[in-house]
Amino acid sequence: EPEVTQTPSHQVTQMGQEVILRCVPISNHLYFYWYRQILGQKVEFLVSFYNNEISEKSEIFDDQFSVERPDGSNFTLKIRSTKLEDSAMYFCASSPPTGAKNIQYFGAGTRLSVL
Amino acid sequence: SQQGEEDPQALSIQEGENATMNCSYKTSINNLQWYRQNSGRGLVHLILIRSNEREKHSGRLRVTLDTSKKSSSLLITASRAADTASYFCATASRDTGRRALTFGSGTRLQVQP
Repeated sequence: EPEVTQTPSHQVTQMGQEVILRCVPISNHLYFYWYRQILGQKVEFLVSFYNNEISEKSEIFDDQFSVERPDGSNFTLKIRSTKLEDSAMYFCASSPPTGAKNIQYFGAGTRLSVL
Repeated sequence: SQQGEEDPQALSIQEGENATMNCSYKTSINNLQWYRQNSGRGLVHLILIRSNEREKHSGRLRVTLDTSKKSSSLLITASRAADTASYFCATASRDTGRRALTFGSGTRLQVQP
């Protein structure tokens, strides 16, 4: 069964460093998303991407964040200068072109630890 | 309450018992979804109920939706130890047409063997 894959599973970084989280969405999907979940808290929407551009973003997704689809398969989230409060699980998701139901398929996540 | 609050926050039952989780939301919706999350893992879609449906079944899952009260419930019948996970409801606002899902705070279900 097709699945969303994320790498790495765990990323440890120093405060102020740049990190890139990588995702390979399901191949025929057209909508891509990033969410995050701080330990013990809700899953929060960050950004959605469609047709090679950001379609929605939340207040969390400030200038420190960017997304890119550098080729036909990868979807990345970059955090330019990490802060302690960026420590969280980051989930990538994708959804198929028949968007009425908006069912999203999630990867297993990348745990980001900012020290 | 905030958008997408579930109750109870935690639920512990014995294998074979039924588990009921409730969710409230605030916006107008096209549908409501329930997702499951095993500890430290991603979310897995379980079931979707449309705004014009009142009840839906899938295997051991039964979902109800009351749009007048902006609430939904998820019932897992004949629970198994493997059902141990966190369960979240998720909605997207129909008014804005946005696809971003808003998740509830989740119910942590523990099924004792």
